[in-house]
Amino acid sequence: NAGVMQNPRHLVRRRGQEARLRCSPMKGHSHVYWYRQLPEEGLKFMVYLQKENIIDESGMPKERFSAEFPKEGPSILRIQQVVRGDSAAYFCASSPGRTGYTFGSGTRLTVV
Amino acid sequence: ELKVEQNPLFLSMQEGKNYTIYCNYSTTSDRLYWYRQDPGKSLESLFVLLSNGAVKQEGRLMASLDTKARLSTLHITAAVHDLSATYFCAVDPQGGSEKLVFGKGTKLTVNP
Repeated sequence: NAGVMQNPRHLVRRRGQEARLRCSPMKGHSHVYWYRQLPEEGLKFMVYLQKENIIDESGMPKERFSAEFPKEGPSILRIQQVVRGDSAAYFCASSPGRTGYTFGSGTRLTVV
Repeated sequence: ELKVEQNPLFLSMQEGKNYTIYCNYSTTSDRLYWYRQDPGKSLESLFVLLSNGAVKQEGRLMASLDTKARLSTLHITAAVHDLSATYFCAVDPQGGSEKLVFGKGTKLTVNP
């Protein structure tokens, strides 16, 4: 079992570009969660998805951020028109449902 | 809104000493997690505490939960350098591992 796979590990974008972060959950896991970690901070919940459905997006900024988890393929967190304040580590976690998470290694986004 | 507070935020200790990290949370929950994070790495699950009075131990670390006081502790016994990391507690306010609320973390440095 390969664990939760995130890519890329590091991503550099210029202000105004788009960032796409990918997360492949563990085999058999149908629940995916995205968290953001700012430097020297704890993780902040962004969104919770199941296959083809957004269950809870209460932590997502209202603009520029979107997430999906299609029937086939990885979950994608998309940030449009990135700004310097978007620089952070973005972690994905997966679970089979209500029994605890496994976190991926994260994507470290730097906006220059 | 659930708030999770850890203290101390920074802890420098000598090898061989004991210390306790505290995690207070503001609303009722009976599911609390402790994670370890090394610099630039993902979160490693240490303990899941599921009921009042729960106590779990792994090596030099012991975690406990008092749901009535809304308090969890992570006790370090005879610290060694390899324990240097940032430790996070996280609370599941909905009891179903959907949306964890994290503390800011305690950065532990163990000096020889």
